[in-house]
Amino acid sequence: AQSVSQHNHHVILSEAASLELGCNYSYGGTVNLFWYVQYPGQHLQLLLKYFSGDPLVKGIKGFEAEFIKSKFSFNLRKPSVQWSDTAEYFCAVLLPGRDDKIIFGKGTRLHILP
Amino acid sequence: DVKVTQSSRYLVKRTGEKVFLECVQDMDHENMFWYRQDPGLGLRLIYFSYDVKMKEKGDIPEGYSVSREKKERFSLILESASTNQTSMYLCASSSRLAGSYNEQFFGPGTRLTVL
Repeated sequence: AQSVSQHNHHVILSEAASLELGCNYSYGGTVNLFWYVQYPGQHLQLLLKYFSGDPLVKGIKGFEAEFIKSKFSFNLRKPSVQWSDTAEYFCAVLLPGRDDKIIFGKGTRLHILP
Repeated sequence: DVKVTQSSRYLVKRTGEKVFLECVQDMDHENMFWYRQDPGLGLRLIYFSYDVKMKEKGDIPEGYSVSREKKERFSLILESASTNQTSMYLCASSSRLAGSYNEQFFGPGTRLTVL
């Protein structure tokens, strides 16, 4: 069955540290990829998405993600995190022909120490 | 701005009660979804609908039903609430139009506690 794996369930970093959250999916065809973020007490919102073209995608708040097809990966990165990046991050995959359903990973809780 | 609203932010019900969770979106989206979010399990799809009166089971439909009588409204029903249905319930919607990229827009969630 198709799945999305997020390797880190809980990450703790200090401010200004660099961030990389791993995401792998198990589907061999064309996929559309997303990262969503949920700040404490807020709605889940889109951080960035990849559909085609440049595999390095830039999103809001200085985040970026790189699609590496050969590794089935879509890792999220930020060169210097801030306390306000404390949130839960979800990787998600849209499979073609699946009635627009998105498969979500289990999430990574990121805690930034001030 | 797309807006997805849910009828309650917090809800407390007793075991065996019938529970209705309402979701309304104002962007004329064709698709609507109900998820439950539990710590360590991420988002799990309960039901979705891609048109009025149409519904499809997601990954965990047992114990739930849905209703979509109008395009903008999608209701989740717990026929007889049980304690294992205590969870955060998220509603989402998305467009099927080309160029929308199927981005899902989420409501604020309803935290349901079943006693």
